[in-house]
Order: sequence, then structure tokens, then C-alpha cells
Amino acid sequence: KNQVEQSPQSLIILEGKNCTLQCNYTVSPFSNLRWYKQDTGRGPVSLTIMTFSENTKSNGRYTATLDADTKQSSLHITASQLSDSASYICVVSRRSNDYKLSFGAGTTVTVRA
Amino acid sequence: DVKVTQSSRYLVKRTGEKVFLECVQDMDHENMFWYRQDPGLGLRLIYFSYDVKMKEKGDIPEGYSVSREKKERFSLILESASTNQTSMYLCASGGDYPYNEQFFGPGTRLTVL
Repeated sequence: KNQVEQSPQSLIILEGKNCTLQCNYTVSPFSNLRWYKQDTGRGPVSLTIMTFSENTKSNGRYTATLDADTKQSSLHITASQLSDSASYICVVSRRSNDYKLSFGAGTTVTVRA
Repeated sequence: DVKVTQSSRYLVKRTGEKVFLECVQDMDHENMFWYRQDPGLGLRLIYFSYDVKMKEKGDIPEGYSVSREKKERFSLILESASTNQTSMYLCASGGDYPYNEQFFGPGTRLTVL
């Protein structure tokens, strides 16, 4: 069973609107959570990283939140643009040195004019 | 900026062929990784390497092998390609503790006919 679950699987929004993506995880012990953006046909690129003690992190119009008690994170996109059309992947790292990451299946966001 | 390059963006091979996918990174990272990405499944780790000539199996190593003769180069080998190996293959480097950030290449879309 995947230790990182994302919802929704996909969504369509109009340009200029906001949206929120969800990530629930069971990875333990927790080290950090990262949101990646993956454009079609490209490799993922890191947007934000949050450790246990952080509950919010922004990168431009992207704001990520983390509730380590409930093991939930969200990524909020404000005033969406056509360039936000991509897959957004939640990635959780364990507090260990085995290099392995746990990946969500991703949420595909389509922004329409 | 970290740069991870992959030898091909698109490959089409026939069942039974030997396939080489090459990855090069320019940031002197010790760790390198090969993943495959399939719709709805997220990224799955095939193999990783933590030093030259050192490798470890990931979650789905069957049907694959790897080679790391130089620090900057990590190759994925499909000894006898099969149709169920049609996928997007992503190489990454980095993963240093504690943040474990991995930097991804652009991916190779492999189709096995």
C-alpha cells in the first residue's frame, strides 16, 4: 500500500482561480515533505520543502501547509496561470539515511483560459 | 544549478533487444537513482547507487541492471526488453541527508514493441 496518497487525481480550473491539492501520508519517522511540479514530458522540479517544525511554506503563488500531527499536507495555487498546468507530486522522506523517498501518484492540474 | 541529463528523450525498441539508458550529473553527487513512472502509480525506484561501482536494488529491480563506472554517470540496462517495460524512465542525483533532495533529469520515454 502506498504510504503517500494524493487527491484529487486530477482537476480542471479556469485561469485566475485558486485550487488546493491534498496529500496524506503514513511515512514514519517523518523527516520532511516536498512538493514537486512536473511539466508534461519533463522531470519533476522541487517547489517547496517542509520539515517537522514548519507548517507553511510559500514559493510565489504556491503555498504548502503541513500538519505533522494528522500527517496531512496541502498545496494551494493562487491566481492560477496556464503555466501551472502540470502534475504535482507529494514526496515524503523518512528520518533515516537510506536515501529512499515515498512518492504520491500525483495530481494533474489543467488550467483553462 | 544542478544539471542531470539523460541520453535520449524518446526511444522505441523491439522485444528482446538490449537497451541502455544513460544519465549524467554535473554536481559531484555521491548518490544517483533510476525510477520508472507509470500513470496512477507514481515514481518507483528501480536501482540506486551511493558510490562508484556500488549499487543497491530498489523496489522493482527485476528485468533491470545498472552500471556506475564513473561518479557522474549512471546507466540503466534492460537485458532483454519486454512490452511491460514500456514506461517513462527518470534519473535523479542528490539525496543527501537530511533533506534528501533529489534532482531529476528530463526523462526518457521508452516504448517496447
